[in-house]
Amino acid sequence: DAGITQSPRYKITETGRQVTLMCHQTWSHSYMFWYRQDLGHGLRLIYYSAAADITDKGEVPDGYVVSRSKTENFPLTLESATRSQTSVYFCATGGGAAQDTQYFGPGTRLTVL
Amino acid sequence: SQQGEEDPQALSIQEGENATMNCSYKTSINNLQWYRQNSGRGLVHLILIRSNEREKHSGRLRVTLDTSKKSSSLLITASRAADTASYFCTNTGNQFYFGTGTSLTVIP
Repeated sequence: DAGITQSPRYKITETGRQVTLMCHQTWSHSYMFWYRQDLGHGLRLIYYSAAADITDKGEVPDGYVVSRSKTENFPLTLESATRSQTSVYFCATGGGAAQDTQYFGPGTRLTVL
Repeated sequence: SQQGEEDPQALSIQEGENATMNCSYKTSINNLQWYRQNSGRGLVHLILIRSNEREKHSGRLRVTLDTSKKSSSLLITASRAADTASYFCTNTGNQFYFGTGTSLTVIP
């Protein structure tokens, strides 16, 4: 029982390419989140989803697209990657309320050249 | 900004000593949670303290909350080398904001 998984764990891409980071959970948690972590900025929320087909912007949504057609998956797409999107991306899940404990995935380290 | 601010940014102590780190917010505190992040890993939930609580314990962890000062503190007693990690607080409302964390190094 993996709980929450992210793939790929490491990705190198070039400026302008489309990249999709995957997040999958086995808990059936309602909430799912995408964060990016950069030195000096801590974790910043990109997008979150309260349920399937319900998504909302976080603090830094520009340049990212999300979807949630199934409860268990929450992919994050960089439509045209930029160097400023080089970061470590974390997916997290939460329970039935926005204030519930979050459970984080292992992260994806993305480098945009 | 609703972002929490952890203080100090970095802390280095000897094994066996206590470690105290603080968290402050500019907005009102709802439920406040502390998380730990080991190097290269995702965050792991440590403890949640609700706005109507003043103190909470979990093993070697002690969390206090002062809603009038909009601050919280995390105390780790009898620290171990395995406690070396970054510690984050978050004031959970409708959105989630994490600070830059306190980097704790416990020297064996």
